[in-house]
Amino acid sequence: GQQVMQIPQYQHVQEGEDFTTYCNSSTTLSNIQWYKQRPGGHPVFLIQLVKSGEVKKQKRLTFQFGEAKKNSSLHITATQTTDVGTYFCAGQGKFYFGSGTKLNVKP
Amino acid sequence: NAGVTQTPKFQVLKTGQSMTLQCAQDMNHEYMSWYRQDPGMGLRLIHYSVGAGITDQGEVPNGYNVSRSTTEDFPLRLLSAAPSQTSVYFCASSQTEYNSPLHFGNGTRLTVT
Repeated sequence: GQQVMQIPQYQHVQEGEDFTTYCNSSTTLSNIQWYKQRPGGHPVFLIQLVKSGEVKKQKRLTFQFGEAKKNSSLHITATQTTDVGTYFCAGQGKFYFGSGTKLNVKP
Repeated sequence: NAGVTQTPKFQVLKTGQSMTLQCAQDMNHEYMSWYRQDPGMGLRLIHYSVGAGITDQGEVPNGYNVSRSTTEDFPLRLLSAAPSQTSVYFCASSQTEYNSPLHFGNGTRLTVT
């Protein structure tokens, strides 16, 4: 069946460094959503991408949807300790979640 | 506005016991779903519903039952608990099945011994 793969599984960065997580699907996605889960918390919706090649920004976060609508990325510029958590992508009507990238930021 | 409310927060069961995880939302959302979260596995969809009276299976439905008699409530039943069902369970709702964000409950941490 369809799967959404997410890499890397873990990322440790020094505060101020950049961070990127990638989401790849074996099939074309109608849309992709990104969520953030703080340690001990529940996933919280960040953004949705729908159009091929779409780029959206939220302050230090940049989200991209690939031209073929099979991959997506989340880039954080100059990480802060408040960015700590696990970032998930979800494709095709929230049916398939990626396994998540756990981000740790050292102050 | 309470959003999505899950009960209980924690539960310990013995193998073979049954129980119901409760989920209620007050946002008049049509779509509701249950996920389980295991370390390194992300969120896996168990069952979902696109409206009252309609339910369907997700990726990992075995061992679980659901019903949707009202728009607000979407309980998840474990028929005969197994250690493999030890997990964190999240209920989530959204306005529609597609193109709308999921709102998650705080989760239920279930341990089966």
